[in-house]
Amino acid sequence: KAGVTQTPRYLIKTRGQQVTLSCSPISGHRSVSWYQQTPGQGLQFLFEYFSETQRNKGNFPGRFSGRQFSNSRSEMNVSTLELGDSALYLCASSGRGTSMESTDTQYFGPGTRLTVL
Amino acid sequence: AQKITQTQPGMFVQEKEAVTLDCTYDTSDQSYGLFWYKQPSSGEMIFLIYQGSYDEQNATEGRYSLNFQKARKSANLVISASQLGDSAMYFCAMRGGRAAGNKLTFGGGTRVLVKP
Repeated sequence: KAGVTQTPRYLIKTRGQQVTLSCSPISGHRSVSWYQQTPGQGLQFLFEYFSETQRNKGNFPGRFSGRQFSNSRSEMNVSTLELGDSALYLCASSGRGTSMESTDTQYFGPGTRLTVL
Repeated sequence: AQKITQTQPGMFVQEKEAVTLDCTYDTSDQSYGLFWYKQPSSGEMIFLIYQGSYDEQNATEGRYSLNFQKARKSANLVISASQLGDSAMYFCAMRGGRAAGNKLTFGGGTRVLVKP
């Protein structure tokens, strides 16, 4: 079955603009998580959505927001872009998400590479 | 708070040899999961192997095995018979207790370069 898809794959924006990234999870998966990857900070958790509700949030400013739709597709939005927002944004989906069994593995998409000029 | 430490920023390995990537973790949770992911230069994170905190046996998946030492809080990845396609970044990650939801905490990664 198809994996996690993310669009667009590459994006170039200027400071002050806003951007919306999209993620379609593996069919049947209900949990979607977002991560930011930069050379300096590594991989950092942004937020997780399950059944259209934000279930967990990382330590990022309010300029970073997200949502999930009834078909489990998710979008994240970054407003008032800063140079430091340049990063690879990774989306991951997992199956049940309600169970605390740690076998609920997250599968990642190819990422969206955002460059802020 | 959870923390993952990968002390090897980079390493070379000869093709067909085995390589061990170190990972230590810190958590106060009793129930947690440990994961290893591979990230080629393309950027996609590829799931390799999982170990649960209550699993008594070390996990294995093909050429990948996880050397889990709970008392030492280590979860080292062993790649046997290295192939050129194994050249990539490798990340150790942990998912914690109920409050953590699906949040993964990642280590800084180890870059592996396989030499022919």
